[in-house]
Amino acid sequence: GAVVSQHPSRVICKSGTSVKIECRSLDFQATTMFWYRQFPKQSLMLMATSNEGSKATYEQGVEKDKFLINHASLTLSTLTVTSAHPEDSSFYICSASVEGLGYEQYFGPGTRLTVT
Amino acid sequence: AQSVSQHNHHVILSEAASLELGCNYSYGGTVNLFWYVQYPGQHLQLLLKYFSGDPLVKGIKGFEAEFIKSKFSFNLRKPSVQWSDTAEYFCAVNPGTGNQFYFGTGTSLTVIP
Repeated sequence: GAVVSQHPSRVICKSGTSVKIECRSLDFQATTMFWYRQFPKQSLMLMATSNEGSKATYEQGVEKDKFLINHASLTLSTLTVTSAHPEDSSFYICSASVEGLGYEQYFGPGTRLTVT
Repeated sequence: AQSVSQHNHHVILSEAASLELGCNYSYGGTVNLFWYVQYPGQHLQLLLKYFSGDPLVKGIKGFEAEFIKSKFSFNLRKPSVQWSDTAEYFCAVNPGTGNQFYFGTGTSLTVIP
């Protein structure tokens, strides 16, 4: 149980274009989803927290107009990287948690974004 | 700034050696603590967690961790590592003021057969 998927697993896009990454909770309803960014050989950096039906809360230093997050349902959250640049190339990971089951988060497999 | 620190960046051990990975945090008040493991090419998996109660918590695959409140630490231990423990290990803290996690920098463990 508690499986989180991400799509796509890898994406290559040209500079200036936008790319959307999906995060789905497959066998549970996630009240909260989180988006992280992981640089090579480094830790996960929390980008934003999203609750279903409300605006995402972004961590300090994360551009909300660049990283658009939509959490339209209890099983789906999307991260759109707008006007991507090579410095946006990274590994993006989502996680999901369920209210009432403590603070445990279930992580997706990640999406490797390469901007050329 | 509040942070989570993992002092060992890369650890190399022989099989059967004992393991201890350090984790310190700077958040005050009540915290929830986690250790996650990331095997090569796989997603993060929960090893163990501490919310309250016995400060020595046992997790999967023979791992355990001890919460020492006075030292703001939550070190991960395993008495005898195996080659299959080769992975990246992350300490995470939930400060208790919300449901966000903040991760340490990670420790890469390589176990030599």
